[in-house]
Amino acid sequence: DGGITQSPKYLFRKEGQNVTLSCEQNLNHDAMYWYRQDPGQGLRLIYYSQIVNDFQKGDIAEGYSVSREKKESFPLTVTSAQKNPTAFYLCASSIGSGQQYNEQFFGPGTRLTVL
Amino acid sequence: SQQGEEDPQALSIQEGENATMNCSYKTSINNLQWYRQNSGRGLVHLILIRSNEREKHSGRLRVTLDTSKKSSSLLITASRAADTASYFCATAARAGNNRKLIWGLGTSLAVNP
Repeated sequence: DGGITQSPKYLFRKEGQNVTLSCEQNLNHDAMYWYRQDPGQGLRLIYYSQIVNDFQKGDIAEGYSVSREKKESFPLTVTSAQKNPTAFYLCASSIGSGQQYNEQFFGPGTRLTVL
Repeated sequence: SQQGEEDPQALSIQEGENATMNCSYKTSINNLQWYRQNSGRGLVHLILIRSNEREKHSGRLRVTLDTSKKSSSLLITASRAADTASYFCATAARAGNNRKLIWGLGTSLAVNP
């Protein structure tokens, strides 16, 4: 099956800890994205990557970091600098350059809770 | 900032009725997309309508786009309980360095059996 997987589904973090959320796709898509969704809200873009070894900050990048060492993988690290990290995190991908014109495919999400 | 604004914020209808959701935006766009999100799940792409298109159909879904009014509507005909979800519009900017979709806050649809 082609698609996007995210793990874990639920993640609990203590204050002061860094955590890494996994996102993997086997759709051969060039572009990948990380969004944050808070209750009753739309999606806010954290980071995006249009090609391997390159990524750009989105609207709310502070306190987050990413890497794109492989086309299939785009992990997101939520650092201790992120003051309010409890949220639902969604990873997405799209077919390639000019990504703003293309539909995005989403993973099932990771719900992060800070204890 | 959120460009897309959906209305209503919440909609409750009976099975078999039609559901209409609206989306307004502020800047020129290349295309507008509609997505569905079931509770606690990822988003699923429904329809993409380009700025030079006025109407598009997919099964029970009908999307219209009025670029003069900067608005779009999503119509779901003969709704089913399985259509219960949140629906989001997202706009792709027409030009410039903006290479991201701008998302609305969504319409929460409840279809009662």
